[in-house]
Amino acid sequence: SQTIHQWPATLVQPVGSPLSLECTVEGTSNPNLYWYRQAAGRGLQLLFYSVGIGQISSEVPQNLSASRPQDRQFILSSKKLLLSDSGFYLCAWRDVGGPDTQYFGPGTRLTVL
Amino acid sequence: GEDVEQSLFLSVREGDSSVINCTYTDSSSTYLYWYKQEPGAGLQLLTYIFSNMDMKQDQRLTVLLNKKDKHLSLRIADTQTGDSAIYFCASRNDYKLSFGAGTTVTVRA
Repeated sequence: SQTIHQWPATLVQPVGSPLSLECTVEGTSNPNLYWYRQAAGRGLQLLFYSVGIGQISSEVPQNLSASRPQDRQFILSSKKLLLSDSGFYLCAWRDVGGPDTQYFGPGTRLTVL
Repeated sequence: GEDVEQSLFLSVREGDSSVINCTYTDSSSTYLYWYKQEPGAGLQLLTYIFSNMDMKQDQRLTVLLNKKDKHLSLRIADTQTGDSAIYFCASRNDYKLSFGAGTTVTVRA
């Protein structure tokens, strides 16, 4: 069966510090991968998606970036965090050969102080 | 862009049925989904319905789709305290999902 991991689970970072969040998927090949952000009490905002290694599409201009160095690894980064980057970051994968649903990881709670 | 709208809050008595409503704008949406989010956790896929279906039932969950009105609903029968969570409606357009803001369901004794 497929599983999706995210780490760290929680993170507290000062303004201006760098960020690296990691997401990995097991049990599937060539998934579509997604990064979402959920602000407090809000819905989900799609940040990035990837259909393959090295292929990244950005949905929202911001100071975040994403990379996909391996088939089942998706990384969200920032060189300098802003207060507004605080939120709950969710990674998801889509099985392109399956019933066409997205499955979510457990999320990373990021607080920027 | 795609708009998905939901009411923000629903309070229901334990044992009653809950009905969560959602409207969407993109008539080309092929799949529509319901996700559940418990506090501090990721989103759990509850169920989905293909756009050529009117209804789908899965144990205590019933999804109704009115494609003409672009209206989706989720009915939870015999609501339990464990059903307290945020429920998200989502529509699929190609490779992306568009989410509503979520409906917070509170189950009271």
